[in-house]
Amino acid sequence: DTEVTQTPKHLVMGMTNKKSLKCGQHMGHRAMYWYKQKAKKPPELMFVYSYEKLSINESVPSRFSPECPNSSLLNLHLHALQPEDSALYLCASSQKQTGDEQFFGPGTRLTVL
Amino acid sequence: AQTVTQSQPEMSVQEAETVTLSCTYDTSESDYYLFWYKQPPSRQMILVIRQEAYKQQNATENRFSVNFQKAAKSFSLKISDSQLGDAAMYFCAYRSAWGDPGANSKLTFGKGITLSVRP
Repeated sequence: DTEVTQTPKHLVMGMTNKKSLKCGQHMGHRAMYWYKQKAKKPPELMFVYSYEKLSINESVPSRFSPECPNSSLLNLHLHALQPEDSALYLCASSQKQTGDEQFFGPGTRLTVL
Repeated sequence: AQTVTQSQPEMSVQEAETVTLSCTYDTSESDYYLFWYKQPPSRQMILVIRQEAYKQQNATENRFSVNFQKAAKSFSLKISDSQLGDAAMYFCAYRSAWGDPGANSKLTFGKGITLSVRP
């Protein structure tokens, strides 16, 4: 099973809402990633978790809050977002943080009104 | 810092023909990994092929093969017998093999190229 799952598939939220994106994998991967992707652009790395600990934060605004409850799950909590945060949010995982290719999930299409 | 350049924003190929997508990169490192990712209109990013810089042999995966020219810092993807399902955005990506885990867990992507396949 080489699948990374993400829910929800689509999300529309207002600027005052709080919502969460969820990501899961059952491949035993110990590194998980959040990316933001705008249309027709490459993904931009946001966060990296390695062995359930945050190892990279690419200077992401605090209105994005990642959480890794266990080795199979990754959440991204959203609060007070701006319209420019509308994008496709991709989750990925790899067996370890270094040396392995990343497997991507299908993404959550986020629209902030 | 490493950079990855995909200079062609769009390409088109006739079904069953062969197409080559170009990618160049710039790095001062001697060991690294190169990838081609495919992102169809459904938007799921899929790994097509990977190349380890210390291996001289070009990687091949079924209809997909690369032409890796380390000295020229070139990494092109050849798709043979193109199929309608090959229509997608293709990203070339670089990852360092050295340094701390923070450095070499990051993928540096090119801007991508949109490939269309004509029936």
